[in-house]
Amino acid sequence: NAGVTQTPKFQVLKTGQSMTLQCAQDMNHEYMSWYRQDPGMGLRLIHYSVGAGITDQGEVPNGYNVSRSTTEDFPLRLLSAAPSQTSVYFCASGRDGEKLFFGSGTQLSVL
Amino acid sequence: GENVEQHPSTLSVQEGDSAVIKCTYSDSASNYFPWYKQELGKRPQLIIDIRSNVGEKKDQRIAVTLNKTAKHFSLHITETQPEDSAVYFCAASYRGGADGLTFGKGTHLIIQP
Repeated sequence: NAGVTQTPKFQVLKTGQSMTLQCAQDMNHEYMSWYRQDPGMGLRLIHYSVGAGITDQGEVPNGYNVSRSTTEDFPLRLLSAAPSQTSVYFCASGRDGEKLFFGSGTQLSVL
Repeated sequence: GENVEQHPSTLSVQEGDSAVIKCTYSDSASNYFPWYKQELGKRPQLIIDIRSNVGEKKDQRIAVTLNKTAKHFSLHITETQPEDSAVYFCAASYRGGADGLTFGKGTHLIIQP
């Protein structure tokens, strides 16, 4: 039981490049969500999903796409990276009535 | 949408003293209020949570209180120890976390020896 697995742990991109941050959970959780953490800003919700095939926008969705084709996976796509997307990204999963589990994070730098 | 305010941003207490961190929320429909501890370079870890049908919850040295009428909730840590030094975040959700969490901006707790 690995919990919530995020890859990669570190990534450097150039402005305009695209990439996908991977998130997978093996706990059969219904809910998954993506957050970004910037200094002094706390964690802000990007997108979330309450089940396979269902996604919705959070507080800061612009510049990011998600999909949830399986219960286990919830990838976050940056279509054209910008320096403002330099941040630490956390994925989380959970189920009804239980706590959220966070992944170990991805540190992304966009130059 | 929901807005969560957290105070103070930095709190320094002597080892053995108590620490209190306060949060207010804006959406009266919110019903789930977790607290997370985050050490430098690590992921947030849940330390305690409370749901809107409960006014207070305790777990050893940690307690959370909720005032639904005033829309505020607080974290209380008693007999603080050096390992309590970290950043603490409060959060709120109206679907128990299913719709994601709205976080406060965090409190840096410093335990002075």
